[in-house]
Order: sequence, then structure tokens, then C-alpha cells
Amino acid sequence: AQKVTQAQTEISVVEKEDVTLDCVYETRDTTYYLFWYKQPPSGELVFLIRRNSFDEQNEISGRYSWNFQKSTSSFNFTITASQVVDSAVYFCALSEANFGNEKLTFGTGTRLTIIP
Amino acid sequence: DTEVTQTPKHLVMGMTNKKSLKCEQHMGHRAMYWYKQKAKKPPELMFVYSYEKLSINESVPSRFSPECPNSSLLNLHLHALQPEDSALYLCASSQESRTSSYEQYFGPGTRLTVT
Repeated sequence: AQKVTQAQTEISVVEKEDVTLDCVYETRDTTYYLFWYKQPPSGELVFLIRRNSFDEQNEISGRYSWNFQKSTSSFNFTITASQVVDSAVYFCALSEANFGNEKLTFGTGTRLTIIP
Repeated sequence: DTEVTQTPKHLVMGMTNKKSLKCEQHMGHRAMYWYKQKAKKPPELMFVYSYEKLSINESVPSRFSPECPNSSLLNLHLHALQPEDSALYLCASSQESRTSSYEQYFGPGTRLTVT
């Protein structure tokens, strides 16, 4: 069975600080996909990134960066120079290669608060 | 356009009422999903539709009845709900593929209160 662990329940940082959100996953499949979603107070989940298990390249998008390490089964998310608008709950999720029957397994989420 | 719309935004219903939640997407996605999310918890999958056919039912009670009238619309019919069914109900859609797993795009949700 697949599992996603986000050990950090809540994080608070002062604006402009960098912050890293941890995600550790478990799966028996060799082909799988990892995702990060942001859920602001409004409630809508916003897709941030998708990564497949064969692509271990790190990715940077503006102030956001992701570090994927298969050796440690981790897919961590870093926000550089945090802003108040980054305050949200962030979910890491895993999907195994059950093509045609997509099931996302979510972590429990990390609530990030950026203090002005 | 990556928009998924849901109506209504808020719904209060009694335990004997019948109501429906609606979801619409115009991204050409052939997979659509219903999730239930309780406060401070991650979303829980309820149903998956693939090419307008129900492909996954996560053992959801029959008081929740999904319907996919066409490739753009997804409904969730509610009947005889319990107070513990109060939650945020999220709809999502994604591309359908036999060779990959694509990201899901979520709507803003319907916040349901059962009295």
C-alpha cells in the first residue's frame, strides 16, 4: 500500500525567510507520480507540480523549488523569500501507475503561516 | 483555462432533504472525481468517473449518489444525510491516460452543513 508522510504539521516563519516542507513516501511500484498542492483559506486545492518516478531532476519555478530523491523516498518543497500569500496548507500526494483508475494518496498536510 | 466550477458554494440541508452538488469543467478532461474533506484533514476520494463511467467507488454510503451526464458535468445527489456528512466537497478533473498519471485540477468546493 502507498503512504505519504508529512511530519511537519504546522510551520511558522517570518516573511522573507526560506522554508522547506518535507514529504516522504512509500510505494512498491517502480512507476509512480508525486504532486504538491496548495490549499489557501479559500479552500480550493491548487496544483503546483507533478513529477514522475523516472525524473529525478530538481525543479525551480520562481520562488518555488522541489528536491526529489528516490534514495530517501523524499520529495521536498522549498519556498524562497516567503511572502504572506504563501500562507496555506500544503499537501504532498502520490499516485501509483494504476492507469485509468487514478487514486491520489495525500499526506496529512503542512499548515504554513508566514508572519508579516 | 484550468477552471473547475462548483455550485453551490455553500449548502445547508436537513437530514430529510434531497439536494445536488454540481461540477463543471471545459478542459476536455475525461476523468472526474468527487472528494470529501473534513476540517484539518486531507481530501478523501469518494468516486472516480472515467469516460462518463463510474470506475471507482470508495465504499461510499448510498445516501451519496454520483452522476456524470456528459464529459463536462458531474453531479453528486444527496439524500438523507447525517450531521457527520458535513464537510467540504471537492470536485476535480484530469486528463485520462493509460500510460501516465496526470495532475488533478480542483474546484473551489461546496461547503455542506447537515442540520
